[in-house]
Amino acid sequence: DTAVSQTPKYLVTQMGNDKSIKCEQNLGHDTMYWYKQDSKKFLKIMFSYNNKELIINETVPNRFSPKSPDKAHLNLHINSLELGDSAVYFCASSQGPGGHYEQYFGPGTRLTVT
Amino acid sequence: AQTVTQSQPEMSVQEAETVTLSCTYDTSESNYYLFWYKQPPSRQMILVIRQEAYKQQNATENRFSVNFQKAAKSFSLKISDSQLGDTAMYFCAFRDSSNTGKLIFGQGTTLQVKP
Repeated sequence: DTAVSQTPKYLVTQMGNDKSIKCEQNLGHDTMYWYKQDSKKFLKIMFSYNNKELIINETVPNRFSPKSPDKAHLNLHINSLELGDSAVYFCASSQGPGGHYEQYFGPGTRLTVT
Repeated sequence: AQTVTQSQPEMSVQEAETVTLSCTYDTSESNYYLFWYKQPPSRQMILVIRQEAYKQQNATENRFSVNFQKAAKSFSLKISDSQLGDTAMYFCAFRDSSNTGKLIFGQGTTLQVKP
């Protein structure tokens, strides 16, 4: 059983398009996250939701909009894609929002914008 | 703002030997958590080990152990009896104890285990 899953694993699209990445966790966790790993492998948090409420919103272009329909899902929608959006996007979840909870990562979605 | 620095972009070690990866961090918090994550070529992020700042005892997980020096703000990872499967990128990460704390990663160290 996959604990944190993401679809799709690979996404190739053209500039200006709108795309979504889906994330689901079957761990019963309350907290979910989106991270971006750039071409230099640097990882940075983008958003965090706890019980479907946004608790972390980093300095991210407003073309990126997370949506949490329920505690088990956190989707990432990106409007008007740009070349600089090319990266690997990771979803993660944890039992709660506190620092002592381990974060479990999904397999990542490699987004390529051409 | 908290920062995490890994000063070794790349390292290599012979199979069965021991290697130490360095990490330093900066924070004004008194309670926080430190982590080492492994990212093999499959790109899956895997938690290797974690340390709670208020615990003086260094964490160990099988062949992996840390040297946590709170005053020096240093958190190094020692891998004993290196195996080919340890080849990966290793990230040091910091998280404060608040509910809105962010997991802050270092730049990563690429470790190559040679046969």
